[in-house]
Amino acid sequence: GAGVSQTPSNKVTEKGKYVELRCDPISGHTALYWYRQSLGQGPEFLIYFQGTGAADDSGLPNDRFFAVRPEGSVSTLKIQRTERGDSAVYLCASSPTGQLYNEQFFGPGTRLTVL
Amino acid sequence: AQKVTQAQTEISVVEKEDVTLDCVYETRDTTYYLFWYKQPPSGELVFLIRRNSFDEQNEISGRYSWNFQKSTSSFNFTITASQVVDSAVYFCALKGSGNTGKLIFGQGTTLQVKP
Repeated sequence: GAGVSQTPSNKVTEKGKYVELRCDPISGHTALYWYRQSLGQGPEFLIYFQGTGAADDSGLPNDRFFAVRPEGSVSTLKIQRTERGDSAVYLCASSPTGQLYNEQFFGPGTRLTVL
Repeated sequence: AQKVTQAQTEISVVEKEDVTLDCVYETRDTTYYLFWYKQPPSGELVFLIRRNSFDEQNEISGRYSWNFQKSTSSFNFTITASQVVDSAVYFCALKGSGNTGKLIFGQGTTLQVKP
């Protein structure tokens, strides 16, 4: 079956602009995660959805970052007033449930470049 | 606090050599899971293995083997008879029962296998 998909694959924007990044999880997966990966680093957790609700948003760096998952499937990560420091690869992952033992399946990521 | 440390930033070996990637973790949870992911040059994280805190049996899968030792809080990964296709960044990750299922990643080890 289809894996996790993310669009766009690349996004270049100017400082101060607003961007939206989209994630399509594996069909039927109730848990969805967003991570951010800077060059040479491991992925860092941003937010976790169980169904439609954000169960843990403790990783969002500040209030410029917001994410939604209105129907419990597709999720959108929104970044307002982008800054150069937001440049990174944004990864989305899904798992069948939020249970501890479930591995997470990752998408190819969206590379965000803020000029 | 939970933490994963991969002290080896980069490793370079010649094809057919064996190589071990180290992973040390910190957690106060009694129930937790450890994971290894591979990130090839294409960028997509690929799940390799999951281990729970109550199962210290070592595991072998083809040329891959994993050594989990709770006494030293380590979960090391060995590739036997390495191949050029093994070249990638490898991440060790921790998921503790005290959090909401997010993965805590190490910094990653870049493995280069030369022909």
